[in-house]
Amino acid sequence: GAVVSQHPSRVICKSGTSVKIECRSLDFQATTMFWYRQFPKKSLMLMATSNEGSKATYEQGVEKDKFLINHASLTLSTLTVTSAHPEDSSFYICSARDLLTSLDPTDTQYFGPGTRLTVL
Amino acid sequence: GEDVEQSLFLSVREGDSSVINCTYTDSSSTYLYWYKQEPGAGLQLLTYIFSNMDMKQDQRLTVLLNKKDKHLSLRIADTQTGDSAIYFCAEFLDSSYKLIFGSGTRLLVRP
Repeated sequence: GAVVSQHPSRVICKSGTSVKIECRSLDFQATTMFWYRQFPKKSLMLMATSNEGSKATYEQGVEKDKFLINHASLTLSTLTVTSAHPEDSSFYICSARDLLTSLDPTDTQYFGPGTRLTVL
Repeated sequence: GEDVEQSLFLSVREGDSSVINCTYTDSSSTYLYWYKQEPGAGLQLLTYIFSNMDMKQDQRLTVLLNKKDKHLSLRIADTQTGDSAIYFCAEFLDSSYKLIFGSGTRLLVRP
């Protein structure tokens, strides 16, 4: 099956700094990537939908200036948490849709392994 | 609005069957999914069901869909300790290609 990677898998940063998380589709092209945030013992909350070559679409309540998303190529999307604060600590997961098999229900989205962000 | 609900926790003995339940609100969803998440990991697609089906069986997994009641269930036969994980149901919104996830059910399998 298709593989999606995330880097880093774990990051600890100081309050006020910015952190960039990368999401890559390794063996397929992804026109669309999704960024989710998962709180402890909670569901995945969709933050934004990232389309290659265009601006990301943010869900209601998600600050676009706080969570900068760039999708410059068909295999890479980045999420930058700017001026991070302890309340931004969370598990961030990306997913990607395969351009060629996007109509196949089993290939709707492939998920990355997630990035654990801890802001001190 | 879109809302998917699940019970938070289920504990079963090894070898027993597990049944995880889910309710959803969007009757227009074409597909409904079950994902598995192991500790510290991303989501793994387990199975899916098309909205015009009532049941789907895939080895130890059986998915039942009651479209009238908007109720979805996942049955795991002969549950093993390796099945311990969080299980998420999700509905696929055709209009936006979004997946709406439930809160997840933590399955604990006791030896």
